[in-house]
Amino acid sequence: AQSVTQPDIHITVSEGASLELRCNYSYGATPYLFWYVQSPGQGLQLLLKYFSGDTLVQGIKGFEAEFKRSQSSFNLRKPSVHWSDAAEYFCAVGAREYGNKLVFGAGTILRVKS
Amino acid sequence: DAGVTQSPTHLIKTRGQQVTLRCSPKSGHDTVSWYQQALGQGPQFIFQYYEEEERQRGNFPDRFSGHQFPNYSSELNVNALLLGDSALYLCASSPPWDRKNIQYFGAGTRLSVL
Repeated sequence: AQSVTQPDIHITVSEGASLELRCNYSYGATPYLFWYVQSPGQGLQLLLKYFSGDTLVQGIKGFEAEFKRSQSSFNLRKPSVHWSDAAEYFCAVGAREYGNKLVFGAGTILRVKS
Repeated sequence: DAGVTQSPTHLIKTRGQQVTLRCSPKSGHDTVSWYQQALGQGPQFIFQYYEEEERQRGNFPDRFSGHQFPNYSSELNVNALLLGDSALYLCASSPPWDRKNIQYFGAGTRLSVL
């Protein structure tokens, strides 16, 4: 069965500090990987995606993520966090072999302290 | 260019009632997916519609049904509501050229079942 694990339910970082959110997946096929962000009362906004090729992908708002096949991970990073980054972040996985659905992790809530 | 729009934004129902949620996809998109996001969890795939037919379904009972119209808009119907159906219901759309599950989400409909 496909599954996505985000080990950290909450993370608090200081404004200006670096950030890394963890994502591990279990999939029986070559995955497509995504990170979404959800602000309170909002839907999901796509931050970045990985399909193939260069394992370091750049997204919007200064975020990047690195795919590591050997570790089944797709961690999200940002060098310097801004207060406006406070939100909930979801890692999601899809694969052509499993149809068109996305499987999401449970999310990580990011708090930014000034 | 309007994104994915959902209506209503909030809804309160009682157990046993029926509810219909609506979604208009992003302009140019022909595929609509529905997800249920319970409090504190990641979104769970309900089903996907393409060419007015259900193309794939997640692990949801038959009380959950849907429809897609010729203009690609979609409805999600839930019958015999249970307290556990209280959640944020998200609609996502994909363009016809997409082969890698890129999905764009609306802001959701918050359903409360009392």
